[in-house]
Amino acid sequence: QSALTQPPSVSGSPGQSVTISCTGSSSDVGGFNRVSWYHQPPGTAPRLLIYGVRNRPSGVPDRFSGSKSGNTASLTISGLQTEDEADYYCSSFTSSNSVLFGGGTKLTVL
Amino acid sequence: QVQLQESGPGLVKPSETLSLTCAVSGFSISSDYWWGWIRHPPGKGLEWIATIYHNGRTFYNPSLKSRVTISIDTSRSQFSLGLSSVTAADTAVYYCGRQLGNDLWSYDYWGQGTLVTVSS
Repeated sequence: QSALTQPPSVSGSPGQSVTISCTGSSSDVGGFNRVSWYHQPPGTAPRLLIYGVRNRPSGVPDRFSGSKSGNTASLTISGLQTEDEADYYCSSFTSSNSVLFGGGTKLTVL
Repeated sequence: QVQLQESGPGLVKPSETLSLTCAVSGFSISSDYWWGWIRHPPGKGLEWIATIYHNGRTFYNPSLKSRVTISIDTSRSQFSLGLSSVTAADTAVYYCGRQLGNDLWSYDYWGQGTLVTVSS
């Protein structure tokens, strides 16, 4: 299984919006509404931001939103804040009854 | 408050078996949730390893399945990971996590992670 494809890096200025893409196939992202997004500041464990493509767990600000079109899922962060600087990972359930993660995207807030 | 804590050796020799345990507190491990292991090799992305339900049902990463064993001990509120025939490529921070129910395959609670280095 190859990792889902994410851009290695994205950047934005405080207050702006950025979108991170996550591309897979019909056997994972495109075939199921089970895409998740995680945020991982350096040296910490990942934190769940989005599950089921677009649902936010309690406590996650509504600045974070998820969507999906075909085999590509997206995470949009609006109103960028300096504390959003971290690595972001997508994941998806697969037809092999497993979970596949993306390679990760480093978000830099300029 | 749900808490997970990984424990196990930080150094494992090549060809040996890596063994880790995750202690769950603040929540019943026998509830309707799955419990899983994920790892993060240095400089790489996250990799899902396996998941288990309290009745012992399991799912494994196909690329690791031949070397991985996941088990659960509900009486001790813990679950464990075994990874055999390790090589340097298995060096990683290993996390345990609680998998959301309702067939969502997302992890909402994570342990702090434990670094396992494979080296002679």
